[in-house]
Amino acid sequence: DAGVIQSPRHEVTEMGQEVTLRCKPISGHDYLFWYRQTMMRGLELLIYFNNNVPIDDSGMPEDRFSAKMPNASFSTLKIQPSEPRDSAVYFCASTRGAGQPQHFGDGTRLSIL
Amino acid sequence: SQQGEEDPQALSIQEGENATMNCSYKTSINNLQWYRQNSGRGLVHLILIRSNEREKHSGRLRVTLDTSKKSSSLLITASRAADTASYFCATDHNAGNMLTFGGGTRLMVKP
Repeated sequence: DAGVIQSPRHEVTEMGQEVTLRCKPISGHDYLFWYRQTMMRGLELLIYFNNNVPIDDSGMPEDRFSAKMPNASFSTLKIQPSEPRDSAVYFCASTRGAGQPQHFGDGTRLSIL
Repeated sequence: SQQGEEDPQALSIQEGENATMNCSYKTSINNLQWYRQNSGRGLVHLILIRSNEREKHSGRLRVTLDTSKKSSSLLITASRAADTASYFCATDHNAGNMLTFGGGTRLMVKP
């Protein structure tokens, strides 16, 4: 079975540009999570969806961040405008249901210059 | 805020030795999970232990859970160089299927 697929794997862009990260969850998984990982703050949950509906976005740092899940097989995380402090590795994960293990993609390493 | 806190932050051992990592948390849980992360990769689920379980095994992995002390430990027996990775505990507090991850333990196994 294909795992969680994220694209791009690496993104380098200049401050002020719009950045779009993409995620394809595992088929049949009803929950999708976006995380951010940095050395300073560790792994932080940004937002998660259940059946394509955003359930908790309290981890989204500010209005520059937005996430959508237009269908069960695709989600995006957008940063506009991007800032150097947004540099991090962004992970997407999915799970079948409550109390189940999460399956992670290999992440997008984002560098904002 | 991080609920699960791992100890130690870093651990270096020789191949063949056992590695023990500990995790503490603050509020009651439904389950606790351990994940491994190799450099440049995503987290991989290792084992899940429910709040009514005290010990669980999977291959060379042994996880214990003490809910009275709000702590868990992960033991890797007969370690191999391929076990070199960061290990994270994650707690499920029945808050809408969210997990709270600790800061991780970086394990290095020297050949």
